[in-house]
Amino acid sequence: KNQVEQSPQSLIILEGKNCTLQCNYTVSPFSNLRWYKQDTGRGPVSLTIMTFSENTKSNGRYTATLDADTKQSSLHITASQLSDSASYICVVSAIRDMRFGAGTRLTVKP
Amino acid sequence: NAGVTQTPKFQVLKTGQSMTLQCAQDMNHEYMSWYRQDPGMGLRLIHYSVGAGITDQGEVPNGYNVSRSTTEDFPLRLLSAAPSQTSVYFCASSYSGSWQYFGPGTRLTVT
Repeated sequence: KNQVEQSPQSLIILEGKNCTLQCNYTVSPFSNLRWYKQDTGRGPVSLTIMTFSENTKSNGRYTATLDADTKQSSLHITASQLSDSASYICVVSAIRDMRFGAGTRLTVKP
Repeated sequence: NAGVTQTPKFQVLKTGQSMTLQCAQDMNHEYMSWYRQDPGMGLRLIHYSVGAGITDQGEVPNGYNVSRSTTEDFPLRLLSAAPSQTSVYFCASSYSGSWQYFGPGTRLTVT
């Protein structure tokens, strides 16, 4: 069964610190992997998209990595800001399927 | 560009009532889709469309209908609302395999 598991469920860090969010998947055959940021009460916003041949993609302070062999991805946030407080969602696409993880809720405290 | 717009923002229905959630995009995207988001769960695909006149079922299609008469609009119809359909509904659009743009969501409560 195609699944996407994210960890941790929630995370609290201090402003200025780095953090890494994890995504494991069983979706097959793999097409691409996306990370989204969702602010409370808003729709998700795309951060990165990676295909099979890409193992890293950056968008400002956000860097996503992909290991297609182990079916794992991570999202690294550098020098966190209060505005990074949000849910981060991992989405894995197969040819005719797209599965969303439940998300990691990140809280950045001053 | 307005991007992806959804109306209404909030809606309360009684069990058995029907309604249509509206979704429109002005980016000429061929792909449009509807999701529902429930607490503790990932977004789940209800229906999607790969172009005007073409729709298909997603993971949780029961109780919902869609149509795509134009590239811009992709309405979602609840045929007979049930409490299990209480959720937040998101519409999204994209070019094939590219960035997906989400609307602001519709929060639906069925009593």
